[in-house]
Amino acid sequence: GAGVSQSPSNKVTEKGKDVELRCDPISGHTALYWYRQSLGQGLEFLIYFQGNSAPDKSGLPSDRFSAERTGGSVSTLTIQRTQQEDSAVYLCASSRRTPPGGTQYFGPGTRLLVL
Amino acid sequence: AQSVSQHNHHVILSEAASLELGCNYSYGGTVNLFWYVQYPGQHLQLLLKYFSGDPLVKGIKGFEAEFIKSKFSFNLRKPSVQWSDTAEYFCAVNAGSGNTGKLIFGQGTTLQVKP
Repeated sequence: GAGVSQSPSNKVTEKGKDVELRCDPISGHTALYWYRQSLGQGLEFLIYFQGNSAPDKSGLPSDRFSAERTGGSVSTLTIQRTQQEDSAVYLCASSRRTPPGGTQYFGPGTRLLVL
Repeated sequence: AQSVSQHNHHVILSEAASLELGCNYSYGGTVNLFWYVQYPGQHLQLLLKYFSGDPLVKGIKGFEAEFIKSKFSFNLRKPSVQWSDTAEYFCAVNAGSGNTGKLIFGQGTTLQVKP
């Protein structure tokens, strides 16, 4: 079946601009995660959504980062006033449920470059 | 705070050599453990996982890992590597009950297999 999809695959923006990154999880998966993969920091958790529960935002690095998930499916990660240190690959993952049993399946990522 | 340590950052092997990649985590409670692989130009894929039961788990492509609770370790092994195993390998931990399922990743190990 279809996997996790993300768009755009690449995004180049100027410092100070806002960007929106989109994630379409696997159909039927109730849990959705955002991670960031950067050279200096490796893979870092950003935010988690599970059904109608309040999201776990504990990994968001600053208040410039926000995310929402509409209708329990598609999610959008927004970065306001982008900085050069925001340059990274942003990964989305989804799972049928949280562990145990909830294996996360990752999308191809959005590569963000802030000039 | 939970953390995951992968001791080998860059490993170079010849085909048919045996592989062992180290992974240690810091968390005293119940954990779920994962190894993910990222082939060049591809997205993260699950190699294997441990939730409970037999501490020796087998994954795809001949990989296996052993959970040793007393050592807080989950090392990845393969008896005979192939050139196609060239990739980056990530160990990840998810803490047990009451958590959101977020993964804490190690820094990754780049494996280069020479033909």
